[in-house]
Amino acid sequence: RKEVEQDPGPFNVPEGATVAFNCTYSNSASQSFFWYRQDCRKEPKLLMSVYSSGNEDGRFTAQLNRASQYISLLIRDSKLSDSATYLCVVKAGGYQKVTFGIGTKLQVIP
Amino acid sequence: DTAVSQTPKYLVTQMGNDKSIKCEQNLGHDTMYWYKQDSKKFLKIMFSYNNKELIINETVPNRFSPKSPDKAHLNLHINSLELGDSAVYFCASSTEQELQPQHFGDGTRLSIL
Repeated sequence: RKEVEQDPGPFNVPEGATVAFNCTYSNSASQSFFWYRQDCRKEPKLLMSVYSSGNEDGRFTAQLNRASQYISLLIRDSKLSDSATYLCVVKAGGYQKVTFGIGTKLQVIP
Repeated sequence: DTAVSQTPKYLVTQMGNDKSIKCEQNLGHDTMYWYKQDSKKFLKIMFSYNNKELIINETVPNRFSPKSPDKAHLNLHINSLELGDSAVYFCASSTEQELQPQHFGDGTRLSIL
């Protein structure tokens, strides 16, 4: 089993739609979780950290389920500018080893 | 005010050459990383340094040698470049506190001819 698993997609959704991505992780000792966004040929940029109680930032909501070892990202009212690859990131270990998922590609269509 | 900067941005060179990529961060972070993102877009960690000491060394050929002269710099030297080394190499930095994310440089696009 991969350390961090994501559906690579692509997810093609119309503008205004709600879309959700899941990410599962295998290391139960994982401590910190993030969603990053990567545009084509650019560096990954932090979208949001994922807190135990779940958190929201505008149209974006992140959830953590430690029992089932997955995190999720919900995007409401999708915009064309949301088109990108969304990377799930898990931080674990004594020296906080960081593992990236393969990313889920989102394409928002007019 | 560039937080994590790496040079060069593009590197085109021939097989067999030796090249270096430099990375500097002005965020005061104590941990720095090198990642490789190949044509399949998978971002894979190569090395991690904490306060100039190597703490993560994934399965990477010996041709790759990182060097950290101080905690604000982490350079990557590659000997005897091969076609399979063509990729985008990202430098990143972070603190080791929980819930603190990594900050990435804008990448070095390495192409081997």
